[in-house]
Amino acid sequence: AQSVAQPEDQVNVAEGNPLTVKCTYSVSGNPYLFWYVQYPNRGLQFLLKYITGDNLVKGSYGFEAEFNKSQTSFHLKKPSALVSDSALYFCAVRDHLSGTYKYIFGTGTRLKVLA
Amino acid sequence: EPEVTQTPSHQVTQMGQEVILRCVPISNHLYFYWYRQILGQKVEFLVSFYNNEISEKSEIFDDQFSVERPDGSNFTLKIRSTKLEDSAMYFCASSELVSTDTQYFGPGTRLTVL
Repeated sequence: AQSVAQPEDQVNVAEGNPLTVKCTYSVSGNPYLFWYVQYPNRGLQFLLKYITGDNLVKGSYGFEAEFNKSQTSFHLKKPSALVSDSALYFCAVRDHLSGTYKYIFGTGTRLKVLA
Repeated sequence: EPEVTQTPSHQVTQMGQEVILRCVPISNHLYFYWYRQILGQKVEFLVSFYNNEISEKSEIFDDQFSVERPDGSNFTLKIRSTKLEDSAMYFCASSELVSTDTQYFGPGTRLTVL
């Protein structure tokens, strides 16, 4: 069955340090992969996506993610965390080869950046 | 920057009542979606809509649910005879295309069924 896993419920990092939020997926073929961020009382804001091409994808607010096909992972990274990055982060996948429109989401990881 | 908007932000209803959740997708987008997130659980796909008809729906989207685009701007989700387990955050999303395009989400409507 198709699934997305975010193994960490919460990640704590000191301001200025690099951050990583992990995501692995179980989808056949070459899925489309997405990261979204949710701030309190806001919707899901798109950060970045991987469709094809370069495995390192750059997105909004200095975030980037690396697609690793052999490890079926799409970890979100940022070289230097800001307190304002504190939010809930969701990884999502779309199995485009099956013709589906739907995104499958992970359970979310709460990022807390400490000043 | 264009945004998806949703109203109301919070809806409280009695079990058995009908509710309509409203969404205004981004104006040049052609594909529309509803997702829901029960508290503490994953965001789950409900339905996608294109060219005035449902293009895909999940097993959650049974006869209790319906969607409609009543005019050129609104996209609605109707839940008939609400149940306690319908309490959730409902997110509307839209995309310009479906092929490689990104779904943009609204802020959500929190539905509480008492």
